Amino acid sequence: AQTVTQSQPEMSVQEAETVTLSCTYDTSESDYYLFWYKQPPSRQMILVIRQEAYKQQNATENRFSVNFQKAAKSFSLKISDSQLGDAAMYFCAYRSWNNDMRFGAGTRLTVKP
Amino acid sequence: ETGVTQTPRHLVMGMTNKKSLKCEQHLGHNAMYWYKQSAKKPLELMFVYNFKEQTENNSVPSRFSPECPNSSHLFLHLHTLQPEDSALYLCASSQDREETQYFGPGTRLLVL
Repeated sequence: AQTVTQSQPEMSVQEAETVTLSCTYDTSESDYYLFWYKQPPSRQMILVIRQEAYKQQNATENRFSVNFQKAAKSFSLKISDSQLGDAAMYFCAYRSWNNDMRFGAGTRLTVKP
Repeated sequence: ETGVTQTPRHLVMGMTNKKSLKCEQHLGHNAMYWYKQSAKKPLELMFVYNFKEQTENNSVPSRFSPECPNSSHLFLHLHTLQPEDSALYLCASSQDREETQYFGPGTRLLVL
């Protein structure tokens, strides 16, 4: 079964700085999807960014971008120009070809003013 | 965010109680999901419904009983729960099983 590992339980960044959250996964599949979700204190899980494994180009959404290294099975999230509203739990998720969804344990991001 | 709503937002129940969690999605999606989120653990998928039919049950105890009367509504009926069932229960929906899932705000459940 696929597993998703987020090795950083907590991360901290200064406002306006850049932070990178790590995610690795284990799979034998070649076709799959990867996601980063954000869960603010209000607890509504929000999709941040999505990456199709067959696409070599890294996904980007405004200040959020990923570094997808398929061979290394790594999918890190970079947040540029961090804002106070970025403070949240961030979950990395993997969806297999049969639509089975696996989540990492999460990284709590604190943004310091 | 009002695409996926869940009620109640907070619930405290005794082990002998029967209660139900409700999820409603206003996105026209066909697939709906129940997840359990416990402290310091990854989200655990509990049930999946696709076009009102249950397609997955990830070895969930029978004290959790899902119901999907239509594509917009999903219920989780609870009875004789245990304290270890205390968690945040999240509902999600997607256009199809292959599409991105959108989550509700969750129900924080405490079993005494």
